[in-house]
Amino acid sequence: DVVLTQTPPTLSATIGQSVSISCRSSQSLLHSNGNTYLNWLLQRPGQPPQLLIYLVSRLESGVPNRFSGSGSGTDFTLKISGVEAEDLGVYYCVQSTHAPLTFGSGTKLEIK
Amino acid sequence: QVQLKESGPGLVQPSQTLSLTCTVSGFSLTSYNVHWVRQPPGKGLEWMGRMRYNGDTSYNSALKSRLSISRDTSKNQVFLKMNSLQTDDTGTYYCTRGGFDYWGQGVMVTVSS
Repeated sequence: DVVLTQTPPTLSATIGQSVSISCRSSQSLLHSNGNTYLNWLLQRPGQPPQLLIYLVSRLESGVPNRFSGSGSGTDFTLKISGVEAEDLGVYYCVQSTHAPLTFGSGTKLEIK
Repeated sequence: QVQLKESGPGLVQPSQTLSLTCTVSGFSLTSYNVHWVRQPPGKGLEWMGRMRYNGDTSYNSALKSRLSISRDTSKNQVFLKMNSLQTDDTGTYYCTRGGFDYWGQGVMVTVSS
């Protein structure tokens, strides 16, 4: 099974600060069809997860453009350019290139 | 609009079988995959399995021997059945559309006698 390693496990940021979260895969997430099925999710306290980024870097409709995704192969990054209070929660990467699908262990973002 | 809603018992006894239903609206089960994802209290997300748009299924290898996912397209429902439940199966169970773009609110399942 593909293992997704997320770092850091926790992140503390002030409002307006830019932060990055890393997601490293145990094998390449490039599918034979040319797509890389790596998504980023945010789970706010008490809520189901919501999709932020799909296919590595595509912003889901309605998601603020302070969120951006990048990477390829086995290394991926989620960046928040100017953290806002509503961004607190746990961020997960998830891959669906290989079955079984797997999630990263999560990164908890706290607001200072 | 797209909606998913999980339903099922909140309490299951150890060794018994869990049966959950995901009722969807706003999209067709013959066009989109549906996943089941669970989350133990205070822990991360675990992919359980999926019903593909064409009726194929795939499962988390750690759960495969206990898990079955099926559907009724006429009722817009996807079903999860998992047997031999233990206390560490306690958690919130979600269904989500393929691509993880829409999620149900989840159903909390407690395994306890």
